[in-house]
Amino acid sequence: KQEVTQIPAALSVPEGENLVLNCSFTDSAIYNLQWFRQDPGKGLTSLLLIQSSQREQTSGRLNASLDKSSGRSTLYIAASQPGDSATYLCAVGAGTASKLTFGTGTRLQVTL
Amino acid sequence: GAVVSQHPSRVICKSGTSVKIECRSLDFQATTMFWYRQFPKQSLMLMATSNEGSKATYEQGVEKDKFLINHASLTLSTLTVTSAHPEDSSFYICSASGDRQAEQYFGPGTRLTVT
Repeated sequence: KQEVTQIPAALSVPEGENLVLNCSFTDSAIYNLQWFRQDPGKGLTSLLLIQSSQREQTSGRLNASLDKSSGRSTLYIAASQPGDSATYLCAVGAGTASKLTFGTGTRLQVTL
Repeated sequence: GAVVSQHPSRVICKSGTSVKIECRSLDFQATTMFWYRQFPKQSLMLMATSNEGSKATYEQGVEKDKFLINHASLTLSTLTVTSAHPEDSSFYICSASGDRQAEQYFGPGTRLTVT
């Protein structure tokens, strides 16, 4: 059974700092990995999707990497802003239906 | 980008009643839709996977007679919580995919409160 863990569970940084969120998974047989953002009481916003054959994806200030063999992914956020404050979830897609297994999330607070 | 809507966004119902939640893909055909449940301060847990025109596949521990899923068209799936109880109170989120290995697009979620 796939298990997805995210570290740290919570993180507070001052505005402008670069930061890294970590995601690890136990079964390396995956189709893809997605990073999402969730604001309190809201649904999910997809940030980046990495296919199993890819090693990284970039969108604006975000960069996500994938190392399948070691079961790890990182989300790098450059020049953090207060608007980046949210919970970040990684999810691993596997199986014939590409079912997603979600991580436990990292609550990010970017302070002024 | 692909848009998925859910209706209602919030619902309060009395214990013992049934509640239907709709999930629609607005600008693409969703061959597969997924239903998730999220308890406060916890991550999303997959409840079931539904393919258009087929019976849903439920995850272990999810009662199929309690959580009825219908995926009658390529743009609509419904989740009916039957005989709801307070422990069913949760945030229910659907997602839709146009391809088995493609990105899943998530709806905004439905907050269900059972009193």
